[in-house]
Amino acid sequence: GAVVSQHPSRVICKSGTSVKIECRSLDFQATTMFWYRQFPKKSLMLMATSNEGSKATYEQGVEKDKFLINHASLTLSTLTVTSAHPEDSSFYICSAKGAVYDYEQYFGPGTRLTVT
Amino acid sequence: GQNIDQPTEMTATEGAIVQINCTYQTSGFNGLFWYQQHAGEAPTFLSYNVLDGLEEKGRFSSFLSRSKGYSYLLLKELQMKDSASYLCAVRDSNYQLIWGAGTKLIIKP
Repeated sequence: GAVVSQHPSRVICKSGTSVKIECRSLDFQATTMFWYRQFPKKSLMLMATSNEGSKATYEQGVEKDKFLINHASLTLSTLTVTSAHPEDSSFYICSAKGAVYDYEQYFGPGTRLTVT
Repeated sequence: GQNIDQPTEMTATEGAIVQINCTYQTSGFNGLFWYQQHAGEAPTFLSYNVLDGLEEKGRFSSFLSRSKGYSYLLLKELQMKDSASYLCAVRDSNYQLIWGAGTKLIIKP
């Protein structure tokens, strides 16, 4: 089956610093990747849709300048949380659209971000 | 507005059967998904329904009624490892996934 990796799995950073999270599709090419945020005991919240070679499409209420998304290749998308604050602490999950069936979506293992 | 409703928490006994319901109101419908999510992990795909009826996959089955805006996930022969959250998600007319808050399933011996 398709595998999506995320790095790092956990990160602790100080307020004001920036953090980059990588999402890779390991055995397939992903033209579309999604970035989600999940608060404890809450549903997944789509932050943005990332298409290879073009600008990401952000959901309403998500700050583009704060959450920078780059999808430079068919196997890599990155999310950079700039000038992080404690309220940015969350579980960030990426997913990649399946190459064969468009209804498939494969999730990475997630990144737990804690901003102190 | 768009809305996905599912129970917050359910408890069942090992070896038994449990049914997790999901009702939805979305702008358009292009399929309904069930995902399993263990604590601290990302969701894993369980099933996809786009036509009415029952889809069976091993111990798990998923049912859809589009006219009623209703789906359920049926888990048979429950095992302790089935303790997890189960997320219902609907793809709307814009092909966006609308997520339910998830149902935490607790399995007792």
